[in-house]
Amino acid sequence: GQNIDQPTEMTATEGAIVQINCTYQTSGFNGLFWYQQHAGEAPTFLSYNVLDGLEEKGRFSSFLSRSKGYSYLLLKELQMKDSASYLCACMDSNYQLIWGAGTKLIIKP
Amino acid sequence: GAVVSQHPSRVICKSGTSVKIECRSLDFQATTMFWYRQFPKKSLMLMATSNEGSKATYEQGVEKDKFLINHASLTLSTLTVTSAHPEDSSFYICSAGQMDKPGNTIYFGEGSWLTVV
Repeated sequence: GQNIDQPTEMTATEGAIVQINCTYQTSGFNGLFWYQQHAGEAPTFLSYNVLDGLEEKGRFSSFLSRSKGYSYLLLKELQMKDSASYLCACMDSNYQLIWGAGTKLIIKP
Repeated sequence: GAVVSQHPSRVICKSGTSVKIECRSLDFQATTMFWYRQFPKKSLMLMATSNEGSKATYEQGVEKDKFLINHASLTLSTLTVTSAHPEDSSFYICSAGQMDKPGNTIYFGEGSWLTVV
């Protein structure tokens, strides 16, 4: 079966760095997405990885290892506004998105 | 970047009536649109996938006759909740992409809060 695993909740301190991991098992692979979702709002796109390696975009970076079925989202210089849920989603061979349950990130001052 | 617009953002309707939610891709042609439902503090639940010009593919457990999806053009898909009941109250989100082009990002609309009273 297809499955995406990510931690349910994480806590970090303002100004620090946090890494949110995601492992996946899917029928084929056409890329991995990370989205941010604030409570009561729709998800917003953060990153897309289809090749192995690290993609850096400002304070956020995303890493992918296809051989390990593993990705992480790295958030640096954490700000209070980064408190949100972070959704990992994998696109399978039929271009369908398989969603993780999301990781709730709590930022403390 | 690409923008997907969803309307209305909030709607209250009486039990037994129908309500339509629109999803538009504003600056790209969306060959595929997805409709999700999300309950509080839960992850997205895919309801159906619609491809332009063809019937929507519904996920298991989603009533086709209750949640009518139309994808008449490359920029517009609609979700109609028919004979709405209080248990249909939820956050409905659409997303759109060009699924015939690998690597294209999926963009989300702003979401629609439906309250059935």
